[in-house]
Amino acid sequence: GQQVMQIPQYQHVQEGEDFTTYCNSSTTLSNIQWYKQRPGGHPVFLIQLVKSGEVKKQKRLTFQFGEAKKNSSLHITATQTTDVGTYFCAGPNAGGTSYGKLTFGQGTILTVHP
Amino acid sequence: GAGVSQTPSNKVTEKGKYVELRCDPISGHTALYWYRQSLGQGPEFLIYFQGTGAADDSGLPNDRFFAVRPEGSVSTLKIQRTERGDSAVYLCASSPNSQYNEQFFGPGTRLTVL
Repeated sequence: GQQVMQIPQYQHVQEGEDFTTYCNSSTTLSNIQWYKQRPGGHPVFLIQLVKSGEVKKQKRLTFQFGEAKKNSSLHITATQTTDVGTYFCAGPNAGGTSYGKLTFGQGTILTVHP
Repeated sequence: GAGVSQTPSNKVTEKGKYVELRCDPISGHTALYWYRQSLGQGPEFLIYFQGTGAADDSGLPNDRFFAVRPEGSVSTLKIQRTERGDSAVYLCASSPNSQYNEQFFGPGTRLTVL
């Protein structure tokens, strides 16, 4: 079945440093979504990328979708303590009819030291 | 407006018992999803409904797990003969329909099987 892997599993940074997490799917995705889960909280949708090679920005966050639609990255510039949490990528299989079935990566836990 | 709600927030049960977990989606959302999240892992897909019918139940681990959504709104996840390995946070999410990709998650039910 479809597998989604994320690296690194953990990332500790000093406030102001940059952070990047990478996501790789074993199958082509119809789209890639990113979610953030704060400690003790639930996943919250950040963004969706649909097109091959797409790049989207949200303030200090930059999201990319690979040309083959099998990988993605999230980059945070100048981290702040409010960025703390676990970042998940997720996507449905391309070509399938089960649009709602998301396969999540295991997440990257980000801690930011002030 | 109100978000997705789940009850109970915590459930402790003994091995072999039956449990029901309830999810109230955002009003008007026709798609409803169940996930299971173990510590340090991403949400694992269980089942999703479009309206009253289960559109994809391929993630249910075995026949001890069953979910219903009889009126297309509230859903109940039912687990028979619980095992210690069923201990996890059970997350529910909803979206306006299954082709609308952002999923809105509830706070989850933490199930502990002793």
